[in-house]
Order: sequence, then C-alpha cells, then structure tokens
Amino acid sequence: DAKTTQPPSMDCAEGRAANLPCNHSTISGNEYVYWYRQIHSQGPQYIIHGLKNNETNEMASLIITEDRKSSTLILPHATLRDTAVYYCIVRALRGTGNQFYFGTGTSLTVIP
Amino acid sequence: GAGVSQSPSNKVTEKGKDVELRCDPISGHTALYWYRQSLGQGLEFLIYFQGNSAPDKSGLPSDRFSAERTGGSVSTLTIQRTQQEDSAVYLCASSLRPLAGMETQYFGPGTRLLVL
Repeated sequence: DAKTTQPPSMDCAEGRAANLPCNHSTISGNEYVYWYRQIHSQGPQYIIHGLKNNETNEMASLIITEDRKSSTLILPHATLRDTAVYYCIVRALRGTGNQFYFGTGTSLTVIP
Repeated sequence: GAGVSQSPSNKVTEKGKDVELRCDPISGHTALYWYRQSLGQGLEFLIYFQGNSAPDKSGLPSDRFSAERTGGSVSTLTIQRTQQEDSAVYLCASSLRPLAGMETQYFGPGTRLLVL
C-alpha cells in the first residue's frame, strides 16, 4: 500500500508562494493524491486532489510529476491563516473499503 | 446540519470504563470513517462504513474497539475497558460517493477523549 513522505516542517513568508512537497513512490495507477490541512484543534479540511494531471482550485494548485512518484501543493499567496499541518494522502481502494493513509504531515508556519 | 457533527466534544473517563462516541455524518453521504489522532501525531484510520457493505475494520487497534452505523446514518464508536493509551482525538468523516473515484472526506470537529 502506498505511503507518503513529507518534510516535518516548513516556513514561508506571508504573501509568498508556499510549496509543500510529498513523496509517494509506491503509488499505483488507480490511486489519487489528496491534500488536507489541519488547523490547530480543528478537524482536517479538504484542499485539493488529483490523479495525474495538474489541478487548481480556489485554494491551491497541485503539481504531480509525470511518473506520479511525487507531488507538490502550492499555496500561491500564503497568509497567516494558512499556518497549519498539511497532509498528503494517497487513496487506496481495498475490497469494499477504503484506507486513507495520512502521512506525517508538514507543519507550515507563515511568517509575517 | 450542514457539516459532520460529533458528540461529546470532550470526554473524561476513568481507566476501565466504557465510552461511546457519536458521529452524525452529512445527510446523504454513504461513507463514514473513524480516525484517531494522538497528541502531536498524524491521523490513524480506524474503521470505514460504506452503504450496506460490511465495514472495513482493519484499522481497529484491539477488540476493545467496535463501531456500528445504524440506518446508514449515525455511527457510534465504542471503546470498552478504556486504557490511558486510548486518550486521543477521535475524528469522524463522511463522503458522498467514495467508489466513484471522486471522493472528498468532510471531517467533524472531533471528540477529545482523556482516560485518567
């Protein structure tokens, strides 16, 4: 089953782009990459997901490498409210159930 | 309600007692998940319900943990004979069509369990 690896922490200056990497070298062809974030004391919040093409929504962009072994979440203009733990998740389908493997997460601190 | 709700928001219990945690998913969502998050740790998958299918219990850490989902909606996670290592935030999430390849899980605020 595919697992993910993320750096434990990152800093980003307010107003700059935050680029959060994730490695998922054992990902299989039908597995999606999801990104969630968790602000202190709250439940995780969905950000974006993708299969193989790059994706963009109002919150972020997701860049997936051609071999799908890694991806990068981009917050184009980070604000202080983006300070959170960001989780990169690979969705695996097993029988009738689903396993969501949350990685260690990256603690992003946006600095004024 | 508009989102996933969980109750109680906080629970303090004594070692050896049983506890029940409740999750109300978003109306119409067929899938429901339970996770737990120990202090400073990532999320740990516990159990998954999808429609009328048998639940995926592969993440339950021991036979003291069980969960049920009645009528395809509300779910209860039960921990029997609680231990101090059970102290964690228990998170519930639901999703609309997990087997359609397009899934977003919506999380509740969690129940903070403290076992003394």
